[in-house]
Amino acid sequence: GENVEQHPSTLSVQEGDSAVIKCTYSDSASNYFPWYKQELGKRPQLIIDIRSNVGEKKDQRIAVTLNKTAKHFSLHITETQPEDSAVYFCAARSAGNQFYFGTGTSLTVIP
Amino acid sequence: GAGVSQTPSNKVTEKGKYVELRCDPISGHTALYWYRQSLGQGPEFLIYFQGTGAADDSGLPNDRFFAVRPEGSVSTLKIQRTERGDSAVYLCASSLNSRGGELFFGEGSRLTVL
Repeated sequence: GENVEQHPSTLSVQEGDSAVIKCTYSDSASNYFPWYKQELGKRPQLIIDIRSNVGEKKDQRIAVTLNKTAKHFSLHITETQPEDSAVYFCAARSAGNQFYFGTGTSLTVIP
Repeated sequence: GAGVSQTPSNKVTEKGKYVELRCDPISGHTALYWYRQSLGQGPEFLIYFQGTGAADDSGLPNDRFFAVRPEGSVSTLKIQRTERGDSAVYLCASSLNSRGGELFFGEGSRLTVL
């Protein structure tokens, strides 16, 4: 099955700086890559996603890039704010429509 | 409903007992997923339903775990002879169909096995 790896596991940045989280996947047939934000004790919520026929997508301060050849994708958050502090999960949807998640990145934005 | 609803939100049970966790997906969503999340970990895939049938149950850890979705809407995850290692948050998610991208998660059911 699919295997998704995520790095780093923890990340601290100063407010206003950028944060980058990277994921790799193993199944070249995976075709959809969402990113979820999970605040403590809350449900994961989708923040941005990208499909396999697109290389980059941006939504205000958040962007995602996908390199299908290398099988990796990244989340970029610019101008970070304290409310961006949370755990972020990447995921890959396999050809069988299962979603496999990374182990998460705990992001702390220091005011 | 407005969102994915899970009950109970918290369940404390003793080792060896049987538990049921319920998920009510967003109305009209045909795809339903169960995940297990341990502290500091990502959601771990358990089972995926498309309609009434389990399209993939390869994530169920052993035969103590079973899930049903008899009418293609509400699903129940059943755990027999619970063990302390079953303690986790059980997340349910739904999506519009098997090709619908976004997963909508419930708040989860926190299971504690003493």
